[in-house]
Amino acid sequence: GQNIDQPTEMTATEGAIVQINCTYQTSGFNGLFWYQQHAGEAPTFLSYNVLDGLEEKGRFSSFLSRSKGYSYLLLKELQMKDSASYLCAVMDSNYQLIWGAGTKLIIKP
Amino acid sequence: GAVVSQHPSRVICKSGTSVKIECRSLDFQATTMFWYRQFPKKSLMLMATSNEGSKATYEQGVEKDKFLINHASLTLSTLTVTSAHPEDSSFYICSARLGLGSETQYFGPGTRLLVL
Repeated sequence: GQNIDQPTEMTATEGAIVQINCTYQTSGFNGLFWYQQHAGEAPTFLSYNVLDGLEEKGRFSSFLSRSKGYSYLLLKELQMKDSASYLCAVMDSNYQLIWGAGTKLIIKP
Repeated sequence: GAVVSQHPSRVICKSGTSVKIECRSLDFQATTMFWYRQFPKKSLMLMATSNEGSKATYEQGVEKDKFLINHASLTLSTLTVTSAHPEDSSFYICSARLGLGSETQYFGPGTRLLVL
């Protein structure tokens, strides 16, 4: 079966760094996405990785290792507004997105 | 760029009525749109994939006659919840893909449906 695993909840302090991990087992791989979703709102696109390595975009970076079926989203200089759920999604061989359950990130002052 | 709108944002209806939700790509043409449903504190559940000019592809367990999808143009897809029941109350979100060579989905703001 296809499976995406990410922690249910994480807590971090404002100004700190947090890494949200995602491991996956899918039939084929055509890229991995990270989305941010604030409570009661639709997801917003953060990043897309299809090749191994680190992609940096401002305070957010995303890493992918295809051989390990592993990705992480790194958030630096955390702000209160970063409190949200972070969804990991993998596009399989049929170009269908397989979604993780999301990681709820709680930022404390 | 890549803005997707949804209308209405919220709807309350009586059991047995039908509700239509519109999804529009505002600044690009979307050959493919997706409809998701999300329950509180749960991840997104893909309901169907909608390709312009052809019938939608429904996921297993999603009733085609209950959730009618029409993708009549490259910028508009509609989801009609027919004969709505309280268990259909949910957050419905559409997304659109830019097209060939771009796999990123951009989401609309979602529609919160409450069936009384």
